Amino acid sequence: DAKTTQPNSMESNEEEPVHLPCNHSTISGTDYIHWYRQLPSQGPEYVIHGLTSNVNNRMASLAIAEDRKSSTLILHRATLRDAAVYYCILRNSGYALNFGKGTSLLVTP
Amino acid sequence: GAGVSQSPSNKVTEKGKDVELRCDPISGHTALYWYRQSLGQGLEFLIYFQGNSAPDKSGLPSDRFSAERTGGSVSTLTIQRTQQEDSAVYLCASSTRAGAGAYNEQFFGPGTRLTVL
Repeated sequence: DAKTTQPNSMESNEEEPVHLPCNHSTISGTDYIHWYRQLPSQGPEYVIHGLTSNVNNRMASLAIAEDRKSSTLILHRATLRDAAVYYCILRNSGYALNFGKGTSLLVTP
Repeated sequence: GAGVSQSPSNKVTEKGKDVELRCDPISGHTALYWYRQSLGQGLEFLIYFQGNSAPDKSGLPSDRFSAERTGGSVSTLTIQRTQQEDSAVYLCASSTRAGAGAYNEQFFGPGTRLTVL
């Protein structure tokens, strides 16, 4: 799988939007961009995925750059419950998820 | 509906003992995965089951590790002669279909925290 790069940590105030960046400059044309998150002491949880177009779901939005070399996960109003490690991964034909260190998001009241 | 469940939630064992970890996937999910996560690390793939096909065991770190899936549902991960480096959180996930990983969402259980003394 192609490599992704994320900041180690980010901080946000509660009820403010959060933009979590991910760089994937070696992405191939068939790679999907997936985001998972892992709350403390829990298993990972799927958040969203996309290929080329921006995507929205009940949890978040995914903005994908036109050249697909980067993407941004957007939490529109952060809550304390959104404090987690967020993983950006590229997926193609394989089935095994391969998480790196991800971004640890701290949300302060 | 019920999610993926795992038992036990915590397991403390002595070096050299065998342990069994159990996973109940979401009903109807044909694909099942085992991962482990060491403290502060990412996921490490262990094994993958899809229906009645032969499992992909390519991620198992040694022959002390084995897993089976009975009746296409419940899975058991067995670690024989445990070592201290086996200490980690063992996570199970399931999904509705296999292979097509590009868009296949995996649902994770809460994990089993294994501590080998």
